[in-house]
Amino acid sequence: EAGVTQSPTHLIKTRGQQATLRCSPISGHTSVYWYQQALGLGLQFLLWYDEGEERNRGNFPPRCSGRRFPNYSSELNVNALELEDSALYLCASSQPGGTGGLFFGEGSRLTVL
Amino acid sequence: GENVEQHPSTLSVQEGDSAVIKCTYSDSASNYFPWYKQELGKRPQLIIDIRSNVGEKKDQRIAVTLNKTAKHFSLHITETQPEDSAVYFCAASKTDSWGKLQFGAGTQVVVTP
Repeated sequence: EAGVTQSPTHLIKTRGQQATLRCSPISGHTSVYWYQQALGLGLQFLLWYDEGEERNRGNFPPRCSGRRFPNYSSELNVNALELEDSALYLCASSQPGGTGGLFFGEGSRLTVL
Repeated sequence: GENVEQHPSTLSVQEGDSAVIKCTYSDSASNYFPWYKQELGKRPQLIIDIRSNVGEKKDQRIAVTLNKTAKHFSLHITETQPEDSAVYFCAASKTDSWGKLQFGAGTQVVVTP
């Protein structure tokens, strides 16, 4: 069974540009979560889609937004990139209600120059 | 909001010895406590989790204990092996926001042969 898949694996952008990161959950999982892991730091919650609806947002600027699709896949968009947006963006998925826990993808490494 | 503190930040153990990582949380409503292992350049992997209705859970060489009164939980790894070397993260969330995990800062565990 395929795990959570994310693309692209690496992305290099310059300040002011926009980045789009994509995530496909494990088959049967209807909840998708986005976390940011800056170098050497822990994971910070960004966004959560539950059964396709936005359930919760973390404390991040409005230039960071998400989209969800009928098949429960998701996109994370970061506009007007700043240097501090450089991080590993991790997507996770779970069964409804979080049963069984959250399972993470390999992440998308975003570098802003 | 929830705040999770994790100690120590680094832990060096001899192969075969035990390792213990401790976390404290601030929100008494938190009731779900997973632990993740992240090897260098890899995704965080759920290794064990505990809910607040139990005090201890064990899976082979790993165990987690929870003290709700003191608001702390711990990860115990026995008979450590070199492949246990990784960064370990504790996290906490609550029923109505199970996907919004608040992570600790992580513990770098190094198991030396």
